[in-house]
Amino acid sequence: GAGVSQSPSNKVTEKGKDVELRCDPISGHTALYWYRQSLGQGLEFLIYFQGNSAPDKSGLPSDRFSAERTGGSVSTLTIQRTQQEDSAVYLCASSAQRGGGETQYFGPGTRLLVL
Amino acid sequence: QKEVEQDPGPLSVPEGAIVSLNCTYSNSAFQYFMWYRQYSRKGPELLMYTYSSGNKEDGRFTAQVDKSSKYISLFIRDSQPSDSATYLCAMSPIQGAQKLVFGQGTRLTINP
Repeated sequence: GAGVSQSPSNKVTEKGKDVELRCDPISGHTALYWYRQSLGQGLEFLIYFQGNSAPDKSGLPSDRFSAERTGGSVSTLTIQRTQQEDSAVYLCASSAQRGGGETQYFGPGTRLLVL
Repeated sequence: QKEVEQDPGPLSVPEGAIVSLNCTYSNSAFQYFMWYRQYSRKGPELLMYTYSSGNKEDGRFTAQVDKSSKYISLFIRDSQPSDSATYLCAMSPIQGAQKLVFGQGTRLTINP
């Protein structure tokens, strides 16, 4: 079966430009997460979507970052006016909401480089 | 101080050695502890999942949690070159919590 997919796999952009990163979760998974992984660092939580509930945006580092999830499936993370410090791997994960717990399944990530 | 501390390594050991990977944490509310393995240019994959204190074994892997010391470990027996990866610990206060808190990850190389 298909896992979590992300596109593009790599993105190089110039400082000040906007970028959009896409995540396709596992079919049927109601929860979707975005994380950022900087070089040599662990994963930093960004945002969480669960079903039709309001997203938990508490991890977004600035108002340049936003995300949406359309139709409870595909999600797009948008970074406006990119800065060099935004360079990182952006990882998406999804999980099924079950009473017994939620294993998060990760996609391969989008490697963003801001020049 | 970070909530979860993990030695980033790198750690290099010969094939067949026993590997010990560790994390310490400061939040006593953490109840669920996970180890993820991340191969180069791939997303993390869940390796082990434990609740509260104690040991859990799965093949060559053993996860150990000591809540009194706020210390968790992952042991790999008979290490193989295919175990070469970055290992990330993660934890949460409740089961299936939306925000996992991750350590920095330890980069491990098993030399043939």
